[in-house]
Amino acid sequence: DVKVTQSSRYLVKRTGEKVFLECVQDMDHENMFWYRQDPGLGLRLIYFSYDVKMKEKGDIPEGYSVSREKKERFSLILESASTNQTSMYLCASYSGTGSTGELFFGEGSRLTVL
Amino acid sequence: AQKVTQAQTEISVVEKEDVTLDCVYETRDTTYYLFWYKQPPSGELVFLIRRNSFDEQNEISGRYSWNFQKSTSSFNFTITASQVVDSAVYFCALNFFGNEKLTFGTGTRLTIIP
Repeated sequence: DVKVTQSSRYLVKRTGEKVFLECVQDMDHENMFWYRQDPGLGLRLIYFSYDVKMKEKGDIPEGYSVSREKKERFSLILESASTNQTSMYLCASYSGTGSTGELFFGEGSRLTVL
Repeated sequence: AQKVTQAQTEISVVEKEDVTLDCVYETRDTTYYLFWYKQPPSGELVFLIRRNSFDEQNEISGRYSWNFQKSTSSFNFTITASQVVDSAVYFCALNFFGNEKLTFGTGTRLTIIP
């Protein structure tokens, strides 16, 4: 069965802390994504990666960075967390290439920044 | 630029009623794909359907049906004889040919009242 696992379901951090959100997929997919979900705004793409060590900015990359050292793992990094980064973060991997694949999502990581 | 609009923020219906979730999209591409995802309370988005822009046939899967109309740029989703398990947030999404990145709408929260 397809599986995308996000390491933490709930995190509480303080302003200025460095935050790592980890995501692992077991499907050998090349493409992985980080989305942010906020009420009334839907899902917005932060970053995506189409291969190991390859990344591209999404629609809202400011304040975030990513790391993809291994194919199965895609990490989202908040270098200095701020309160406006309180949100639900969703990781996804994509089966196939081009537009004919399907996104598989993790259960999400709800981050609160105090 | 692509855009997906889900004008209904929240809908509540009594169990066994039929309900339609609206999705309107904008794109300049001639070849594109439309999706519906379900996000139950557990948080993990689940893929429901993908439809390409050349296929305007309606689709039915059990109690679910989808009505794709290119003339009105709409891809509406109907649940027949709703059940409490249908309570979730539903997202409509779009990508264009050859691209893995999906653009999501803001979602519709559906509550089925027992």
